[in-house]
Amino acid sequence: QKEVEQNSGPLSVPEGAIASLNCTYSDRGSQSFFWYRQYSGKSPELIMFIYSNGDKEDGRFTAQLNKASQYVSLLIRDSQPSDSATYLCAVWGSWGKLQFGAGTQVVVTP
Amino acid sequence: GAVVSQHPSRVICKSGTSVKIECRSLDFQATTMFWYRQFPKQSLMLMATSNEGSKATYEQGVEKDKFLINHASLTLSTLTVTSAHPEDSSFYICSAYTGDAFFGQGTRLTVV
Repeated sequence: QKEVEQNSGPLSVPEGAIASLNCTYSDRGSQSFFWYRQYSGKSPELIMFIYSNGDKEDGRFTAQLNKASQYVSLLIRDSQPSDSATYLCAVWGSWGKLQFGAGTQVVVTP
Repeated sequence: GAVVSQHPSRVICKSGTSVKIECRSLDFQATTMFWYRQFPKQSLMLMATSNEGSKATYEQGVEKDKFLINHASLTLSTLTVTSAHPEDSSFYICSAYTGDAFFGQGTRLTVV
């Protein structure tokens, strides 16, 4: 079992619609959760982090965390073509390492 | 956010030579840095965790004698790929963790 799992996609989203990305993790002791965006050939850039159960909103992005179900999600509202990228879920686990999921490719179509 | 500078951004080397990659935290101190490798269309694979002043912890399957990591100060960690081979060609990325994780620009290594 992978420690952090994401659907690889691609997730095709019409421009202006909501993109919904999911991530599950195996370590119940995980404390911090991150979403990164990565354009092809570039390093990941941090979009959001979340530590507590519930929702956290930042502009067009909303992260949702449910520790009991061991999942974290990211919503992108009003999707733009510039949002087309691979989104990586990362988890800081009780093992003291930052582990990444395989990433979900998002394609926003005009 | 915090700035992590990684150098060089691109390097081409001959098979059998060694390459050093530097990772610096510019405006904060990082007791922990991570080194990742990413092959095309794949996610970041953690290679090792580097703690200042102590030996790095390597992930299973990563050869510690081939990928030498030095974290001599709170702002600098280096990764040296020794006796590089074409299969070592990859995108290497460092990350400094301070509660949030910030990434260097990455180094595209091509071994010919």
